[in-house]
Amino acid sequence: DTGVSQNPRHKITKRGQNVTFRCDPISEHNRLYWYRQTLGQGPEFLTYFQNEAQLEKSRLLSDRFSAERPKGSFSTLEIQRTEQGDSAMYLCASSLGGHTPYEQYFGPGTRLTVT
Amino acid sequence: DAKTTQPPSMDCAEGRAANLPCNHSTISGNEYVYWYRQIHSQGPQYIIHGLKNNETNEMASLIITEDRKSSTLILPHATLRDTAVYYCIVSSSNTGKLIFGQGTTLQVKP
Repeated sequence: DTGVSQNPRHKITKRGQNVTFRCDPISEHNRLYWYRQTLGQGPEFLTYFQNEAQLEKSRLLSDRFSAERPKGSFSTLEIQRTEQGDSAMYLCASSLGGHTPYEQYFGPGTRLTVT
Repeated sequence: DAKTTQPPSMDCAEGRAANLPCNHSTISGNEYVYWYRQIHSQGPQYIIHGLKNNETNEMASLIITEDRKSSTLILPHATLRDTAVYYCIVSSSNTGKLIFGQGTTLQVKP
């Protein structure tokens, strides 16, 4: 257990439905990252927050995706009008940002299946 | 695209040292080399990082060549629980975002 939790762990939804995932980072970590991982591939960066500010979004993050981190604590990732291509593992990671290198602590992930 | 090249798979006998190579010939001066691993169905786990000097911690050692164009992760006494996909990543400290490649699948055999 890294101290980063994600809920739910599994989600099955029908195409066209909206889904929301939650990530609770390690409490003192000011940076939070979202990644997506499809079968047989390495994780792909989606977006990251420093405190409550969303500082970078990947071009993978289409308009159907939105992420928030109110008050710089937990974060949510919402996917609207899900498509079968959204089926993947969604990983959250947190770290202590700054001028020195730092490791990211990953949660167990939320596995999304779109039918 | 990932800035590193790793062999897709390697085998190692239990109890022996596992040496995982990584090429990062386009690494910039402010980029660190990170190693993470991912055991099946779990999130990635940080192992070690380095800039120029060799590094060692309780999990592994990291050897970086003088020109910084390649590195080797060493697991000194591999166990069956070290079977995982190992990712070598180069990243600056500005954003901290990690760009994962395909990694090396290490199979530790009894």
